[in-house]
Amino acid sequence: AQSVAQPEDQVNVAEGNPLTVKCTYSVSGNPYLFWYVQYPNRGLQFLLKYITGDNLVKGSYGFEAEFNKSQTSFHLKKPSALVSDSALYFCAVREPGFQKLVFGTGTRLLVSP
Amino acid sequence: GAGVSQTPSNKVTEKGKYVELRCDPISGHTALYWYRQSLGQGPEFLIYFQGTGAADDSGLPNDRFFAVRPEGSVSTLKIQRTERGDSAVYLCASSLTSGGSTYNEQFFGPGTRLTVL
Repeated sequence: AQSVAQPEDQVNVAEGNPLTVKCTYSVSGNPYLFWYVQYPNRGLQFLLKYITGDNLVKGSYGFEAEFNKSQTSFHLKKPSALVSDSALYFCAVREPGFQKLVFGTGTRLLVSP
Repeated sequence: GAGVSQTPSNKVTEKGKYVELRCDPISGHTALYWYRQSLGQGPEFLIYFQGTGAADDSGLPNDRFFAVRPEGSVSTLKIQRTERGDSAVYLCASSLTSGGSTYNEQFFGPGTRLTVL
């Protein structure tokens, strides 16, 4: 069965510094990987996805993620953090042949001014 | 354009009561999903519709939970004999499926917060 691990409950970073939010996965076959962001009292918003091709994928709001098959990781990155990036971030995996997303437990990102 | 909408935004009920939660997907999206998010957790899959039919209901926790999508658009999640453990945020999502390709991302609604007293 597929699973996702987000090892950090919270990540703290100063505004202007680069940020990384970690995600590792377990799935049979080639994974489809997603990052979503959740702001308070709002639904999940799609950031980016990896299906196939280039291991570095770019998404909304300046975020990008790097797929590493050997390490089964899909870390979210941004070169320069903004205070407005503070939110809850979820990594999700979908196994080929299935439609459901399996989510990690989420990582709270706190960007300080 | 309009996103996924869910009603009500909040629902408080008493243990043992019946509740219905509604989801309006993005127009033209053939795939619809229900998830449940408990406090401090990521969303957990409940059920997936392709058109009018439930293609995967493996996430429904027990037979108290049921969902329908009679016309392939709006969906209703129904919970009978609610229990305190059913308290959670229920999320609906929709996505495009075109030409058999199902790579498309799921777009989520704001959720319905269900509280069972």
